[in-house]
Amino acid sequence: DAGVIQSPRHEVTEMGQEVTLRCKPISGHDYLFWYRQTMMRGLELLIYFNNNVPIDDSGMPEDRFSAKMPNASFSTLKIQPSEPRDSAVYFCASSPPSGANVLTFGAGSRLTVL
Amino acid sequence: AQSVTQLGSHVSVSEGALVLLRCNYSSSVPPYLFWYVQYPNQGLQLLLKYTTGATLVKGINGFEAEFKKSETSFHLTKPSAHMSDAAEYFCAVSLYNQGGKLIFGQGTELSVKP
Repeated sequence: DAGVIQSPRHEVTEMGQEVTLRCKPISGHDYLFWYRQTMMRGLELLIYFNNNVPIDDSGMPEDRFSAKMPNASFSTLKIQPSEPRDSAVYFCASSPPSGANVLTFGAGSRLTVL
Repeated sequence: AQSVTQLGSHVSVSEGALVLLRCNYSSSVPPYLFWYVQYPNQGLQLLLKYTTGATLVKGINGFEAEFKKSETSFHLTKPSAHMSDAAEYFCAVSLYNQGGKLIFGQGTELSVKP
């Protein structure tokens, strides 16, 4: 199994640009999570899906952030327009239906907004 | 609502010494508890988990943790530190019915001196 795959690994963009982060969960996992990691705020849950349906998006910072899961094997996190304070590492994680809440994390996408 | 507090943002031990990383949680119902490890520029990897049953749980790389309900604690220990244990460690809590939604502590960076 290739694990949770995220792309890009690194993204540098300018303020105001649109950023799209991508995630492929482990096959058979029906939960998908997006977390953000910063020095100041640690690991924050942004949103999670079950069977492609968003369950809890209370952690999404503001309307500039949106996430979709069009099918069981793909999810995107979009920031439009991006701001310097969005600079962070964004992690995607997935878990199986009966996995006792055990998440498998991807390697992360490091975003720098100039 | 659940929360996690990790005491000490940075812990330094000598190689061969005992490792003790502290974690206290707050939850209104019996929680699931986890320890994850993060090596530089990598995603989080599960070390061990407590769901139900035996309160002393063993994980990978010689780590173990004990769930103490009366103290609302889930401290992580390893009898003898190795240089390769240097990393950041995160304690996390979730509820059984939240499908893997994890709330993380702020993390403890472990340094191992030769």
